[in-house]
Amino acid sequence: KQEVTQIPAALSVPEGENLVLNCSFTDSAIYNLQWFRQDPGKGLTSLLLIQSSQREQTSGRLNASLDKSSGRSTLYIAASQPGDSATYLCAVVDDYKLSFGAGTTVTVRA
Amino acid sequence: GAGVSQSPSNKVTEKGKDVELRCDPISGHTALYWYRQSLGQGLEFLIYFQGNSAPDKSGLPSDRFSAERTGGSVSTLTIQRTQQEDSAVYLCASSPGAGGPYNEQFFGPGTRLTVL
Repeated sequence: KQEVTQIPAALSVPEGENLVLNCSFTDSAIYNLQWFRQDPGKGLTSLLLIQSSQREQTSGRLNASLDKSSGRSTLYIAASQPGDSATYLCAVVDDYKLSFGAGTTVTVRA
Repeated sequence: GAGVSQSPSNKVTEKGKDVELRCDPISGHTALYWYRQSLGQGLEFLIYFQGNSAPDKSGLPSDRFSAERTGGSVSTLTIQRTQQEDSAVYLCASSPGAGGPYNEQFFGPGTRLTVL
């Protein structure tokens, strides 16, 4: 069974600092990996999708890398802003369904 | 265009009652998923529909849970004889289908179910 782990569980940084969120998974036979953002009481917003054949994806201030062989992905958020405060979830697809990590809750202090 | 919609947004029910949760996927998306987010279990897969194929029900926690998808579009998740441990946020997602598991999944806002 796929196990997805996110470290750290929570992170607090001053505005402007870069964020580094880590995700690891136990079974490297994945189709893709998605990073999501979840605001309190809300659904999931997809941030980035990395296919298994890709090494990274970028969208604005966000960059995600994937090392499938070692079962790791990292989400970088440059120049953090208070609006980046949310829970970030990593999920991998194997056999169609998403397996999620528990998330990293980020607080960006103004 | 419109995203995935779910109704109701909140549902409070008494233990033992049946509830129905509805999901409208993005138009044209053939794949539809139900997930559950609870405090103790995190986000977990429940059921997957793809076109007219038999659904993957491997994530349903008990036979009190069932789901159907009518006309390849709208889906209803039914929980019979609700228990307090069913309290959670139920999330629906859809994806284009073509390309199978390589597709991005798009989530609705969820239905928060509270069983008293």
